[in-house]
Amino acid sequence: QVQLVESGGGLVQPGGSLRLSCAASGFTFSDSYMNWIRQAPGKGLEWISYISGSGTTIYYADSVKGRFTISRDNAKNSVYLQMSRLRAEDTAFYYCVSGGTTYFDYWGQGTLVTVSS
Amino acid sequence: QTVVTQEPSLTVSPGGTVTLTCASSTGAVTSGFYPNWFQQKPGQAPRALIYNTNNKHSWIPARFSGSLLGGKAALTLSGVQPEDEAEYYCLLYYGGAWVFGGGTKLTVL
Repeated sequence: QVQLVESGGGLVQPGGSLRLSCAASGFTFSDSYMNWIRQAPGKGLEWISYISGSGTTIYYADSVKGRFTISRDNAKNSVYLQMSRLRAEDTAFYYCVSGGTTYFDYWGQGTLVTVSS
Repeated sequence: QTVVTQEPSLTVSPGGTVTLTCASSTGAVTSGFYPNWFQQKPGQAPRALIYNTNNKHSWIPARFSGSLLGGKAALTLSGVQPEDEAEYYCLLYYGGAWVFGGGTKLTVL
């Protein structure tokens, strides 16, 4: 069955960096669009980044543009989110989600990023 | 700043029917926004329900349906069950970006 497993979350100081990973299994990863979506504790969902199957098309939400970088390694069935210049408002659960344009389907369980001094 | 608006909360009786809507600050929602709907229960990751306006994922019960209604995307639950009590989010596509609605808390009472 399809599995998406995020890792790499934790506590980081404002201005710091963190790299999230998402390991995928159970589907043809290289054919799949992938996204990162976040949710601040007790708040709603926010789409933050998309990458196409080949990695050639990438989009970011304005809130993270210039600070976050999405990438993927199809040989390792993994997608990554490099986060830099982190702010308190980046504190959230970060979900890896497959899909794009017309559909979003599978979600991971999320990894918590806390930005605090 | 594009804003997607949902009803903050709705209440429905078990067995009843309820429609949740999703509006765009840019104007009428059309199929070109490829509306998606998600369900989230407390302490869980969201689950995909509907994609591309009215297509159900294979794991979704028949009582869930999606449509366009009066310039908005809509999610209708018919024959509501107690386990449908949850937060529901819509997602709209804006050409290289996606925006979630603020969510509707559905209470089954």
